[in-house]
Amino acid sequence: GAVVSQHPSWVICKSGTSVKIECRSLDFQATTMFWYRQFPKQSLMLMATSNEGSKATYEQGVEKDKFLINHASLTLSTLTVTSAHPEDSSFYICSARRGRQTGELFFGEGSRLTVL
Amino acid sequence: GNSVTQMEGPVTLSEEAFLTINCTYTATGYPSLFWYVQYPGEGLQLLLKATKADDKGSNKGFEATYRKETTSFHLEKGSVQVSDSAVYFCALNVLGGSQGNLIFGKGTKLSVKP
Repeated sequence: GAVVSQHPSWVICKSGTSVKIECRSLDFQATTMFWYRQFPKQSLMLMATSNEGSKATYEQGVEKDKFLINHASLTLSTLTVTSAHPEDSSFYICSARRGRQTGELFFGEGSRLTVL
Repeated sequence: GNSVTQMEGPVTLSEEAFLTINCTYTATGYPSLFWYVQYPGEGLQLLLKATKADDKGSNKGFEATYRKETTSFHLEKGSVQVSDSAVYFCALNVLGGSQGNLIFGKGTKLSVKP
């Protein structure tokens, strides 16, 4: 099947710093990628939809200035957590859609962020 | 609104036991239903799906039937293996919403003992 890779898989940073997480579709082009956040024992919560060449669409309650999303190419979307705080510690997951609106989603392995 | 409720885990079974993981949903419109599986250290993978009422999705010995009357999509497998140990997520997709994005349940962790 198609492969989506996230990097880094885990990161520890100090409070106040910014962290960038990459999501790459390795063997297909993805015009749409999604970013999720998963708390322990909770479901994946959609944060934003990343569209290649245009601004991301954020879900209600997600701070767009806090979580910067860039989808500069058909195979790469990045999530930057700016001025991270301990409450931003979480598991962040991306997915990429292959094909059109009904295309299957392929998920990355996830990135665990710990903010000290 | 749209939501998915699945049974809480963890679920611990012996090898060759029968598995049922319950999933019910609420949705506006006509959702498609999915089961995703997340093996340790890996990303979510689509396990099976059903796009309309009475459809049965199946893969790797797992099955789930789209029951509109009970708004359910329970996952079943007749004989589990140790390699089935993973976290299973039920999800729905309502096209015409926010680009048809997936709404997930909380996940059910399955541990199969030899």
